[in-house]
Amino acid sequence: AQKVTQAQTEISVVEKEDVTLDCVYETRDTTYYLFWYKQPPSGELVFLIRRNSFDEQNEISGRYSWNFQKSTSSFNFTITASQVVDSAVYFCALSEETSGSRLTFGEGTQLTVNP
Amino acid sequence: DTAVSQTPKYLVTQMGNDKSIKCEQNLGHDTMYWYKQDSKKFLKIMFSYNNKELIINETVPNRFSPKSPDKAHLNLHINSLELGDSAVYFCASSPQLTSGPNNEQFFGPGTRLTVL
Repeated sequence: AQKVTQAQTEISVVEKEDVTLDCVYETRDTTYYLFWYKQPPSGELVFLIRRNSFDEQNEISGRYSWNFQKSTSSFNFTITASQVVDSAVYFCALSEETSGSRLTFGEGTQLTVNP
Repeated sequence: DTAVSQTPKYLVTQMGNDKSIKCEQNLGHDTMYWYKQDSKKFLKIMFSYNNKELIINETVPNRFSPKSPDKAHLNLHINSLELGDSAVYFCASSPQLTSGPNNEQFFGPGTRLTVL
C-alpha cells in the first residue's frame, strides 16, 4: 500500500535562510508520480511540482528545488533564501499507476518564516 | 474563470442536520474527487467519480453520499451531521482516471464545515 511520510511537523526559520522539507514514500508500483502542494494560510491547495518515477533529474524553479532519489525513496523540497510569503503548510503526495489518479498525502509540514 | 468551484465556502450547522456541498469544474475533466482535511491538516481521499460513475469509496460512512448529475459536477450530501464531520472538504478534478504524466489534479478552494 502506498504511504507518504513527512517527518517534520513544523519548521521555523528566519528570512533568507535555506530550508529543506523532507518527504519519504512507500510504493510497490514501478510507475508512480510524486507531487508537492503548498497550502498558504488562506487555505487553498497550490500545485508546485509533479515528478514521475522514471525521471530522477533534480528540478529547480526560482528559489524552489526538488531532489528525487529513488534509492532512498525520497522527494525532498528545498526553498532557498526563504521569504515570509513562503510560510505555509507543504504537502508531499503520491499517485500510483495501479491506484488510478488518487493522491495519497503526507501529513504536511508547517513552515514558518520569520522576518 | 474559476476552474474548480465549491459552494458554500463556509458552512456552520447543528449536529443531526443534513447538508450539501456543491462542486463544479469547467475544465472538461472526466474525473472528480472529494478529499477531507481534518483538524490536524491531514488530507485523505473520500470518493472519486469518473464520467459520473463511482470509482473510489474510501471507507466513508454511509451518511456521506456523493452525487454526480453530470461529469462537470460532483456534490457531497451529508446526513445526520456529527461533530467529527467538522473539517475542510476539498473537491478536485483531473483529466482522466488513470495516473499519468499530464493527469494533474486541480483543487477547489475548499469548504470549511463546522458542526456545533
